[in-house]
Amino acid sequence: QKEVEQNSGPLSVPEGAIASLNCTYSDRGSQSFFWYRQYSGKSPELIMFIYSNGDKEDGRFTAQLNKASQYVSLLIRDSQPSDSATYLCAMSAHGTSYGKLTFGQGTILTVHP
Amino acid sequence: DAGITQSPRYKITETGRQVTLMCHQTWSHSYMFWYRQDLGHGLRLIYYSAAADITDKGEVPDGYVVSRSKTENFPLTLESATRSQTSVYFCASSESRLAGRLFTTDTQYFGPGTRLTVL
Repeated sequence: QKEVEQNSGPLSVPEGAIASLNCTYSDRGSQSFFWYRQYSGKSPELIMFIYSNGDKEDGRFTAQLNKASQYVSLLIRDSQPSDSATYLCAMSAHGTSYGKLTFGQGTILTVHP
Repeated sequence: DAGITQSPRYKITETGRQVTLMCHQTWSHSYMFWYRQDLGHGLRLIYYSAAADITDKGEVPDGYVVSRSKTENFPLTLESATRSQTSVYFCASSESRLAGRLFTTDTQYFGPGTRLTVL
């Protein structure tokens, strides 16, 4: 079983809709969770991180964490064509050495006008 | 503010040649990482480093060598390049901090990547 699994996608939503990206993980020691966005041909860039159960909002983005169910999600409200990218979730465990992150495979999101 | 840079951005080489990919960061971050990204495999960690002269293997270290004599530099060397090492290579850096009594990883910042083709 992969340590981090993302909904396989690709995901296509119309402009203005809510895009929902999901990630499940197997390591209960995971404590820090990150969402990165990667445009084609570019490097990953951080969108949000979340450490605590519940929701964390930043503009049009909301990260949701449920440690009991071992999933983390990213909601993008009012999706724009510029949101079209690959979204990577990543996680690490507190206290593990060197701050290593484990990445999911990524979900390709397309927002069509 | 240069951040994190990689060189070269593109490289074509031949099987059996030695290739070194450079990574330089200006933030004085303690931690640095090398990943490769391939279709179907996502980002896979090759090597990482907690500080100068401290390095360790990641998920896919075979065929690669790293060194870190200075905090700001973390070169990755392919000792004898193979076609299977054709990939996009990303360097990243981060700083760790205390959250209560435990260290927690901070955000990893990625370089622009190096696209390597081995013929």
